Amino acid sequence: DIQMTQSPSSLSASVGDRVTITCRASHTIDNYLNWYQQKPGRAPKLLLYAASRLQSGVPSRFSGSGSGTDFSLTIASLQPEDFAIYYCQQGYSIPCTFGQGTKLEIK
Amino acid sequence: QVQLVQSGAEVKKPGASVKVSCKASGYTFTKYGISWVRQAPGQGLEWMGWISPYNGNTNYRQKFQGRVTLTTDTSSTTAYMDLRSLRSDDTAVYFCALREGWAALVPRNGMDVWGQGTTVSVS
Repeated sequence: DIQMTQSPSSLSASVGDRVTITCRASHTIDNYLNWYQQKPGRAPKLLLYAASRLQSGVPSRFSGSGSGTDFSLTIASLQPEDFAIYYCQQGYSIPCTFGQGTKLEIK
Repeated sequence: QVQLVQSGAEVKKPGASVKVSCKASGYTFTKYGISWVRQAPGQGLEWMGWISPYNGNTNYRQKFQGRVTLTTDTSSTTAYMDLRSLRSDDTAVYFCALREGWAALVPRNGMDVWGQGTTVSVS
């Protein structure tokens, strides 16, 4: 199985900050990397797919980059509704696997 | 719009079985594969398996082989996840999910439609 490792595991930031979360795959996954946002008691929401493509309806302050084994998710200017847990997921091979999550908290 | 609606919470004893349903609507049911993902309390997301409603093909994560069965009923556009020999560490929220427009096994571009989740408690 491909292991996905996110960093940091948690992050404190303020509204208006720019934040970056990274995700590393244990094997190359080309650009088959997806990012999700999850709020308490809710299902995950797909934010970006294919490393950098914004899912329909997702604000443009979210962006992604990377290829191969190293990827990042950047939120350009944090909004109050962005405080949540973020997961990366590789779609390169089965079983698809998720990172352990990054909890983004209000400072 | 494409929607997945899951059955309600379940409480089970260790050793029992649970069957969670996922009612699909808003699209032709046989067009998109459906994955099942679970999340233990306070933990991350774990993909369990996938089924094609078109031909019934399945793929299970190795750790669940022999304990989970995914099925679909095309007449009612419902997918089912049956988990047997329940243990306390099966306590989790179980989600069904799909990628609109994607039929194949590997969720290359993620899963953009999710059920609301079904809490299964084993104790």
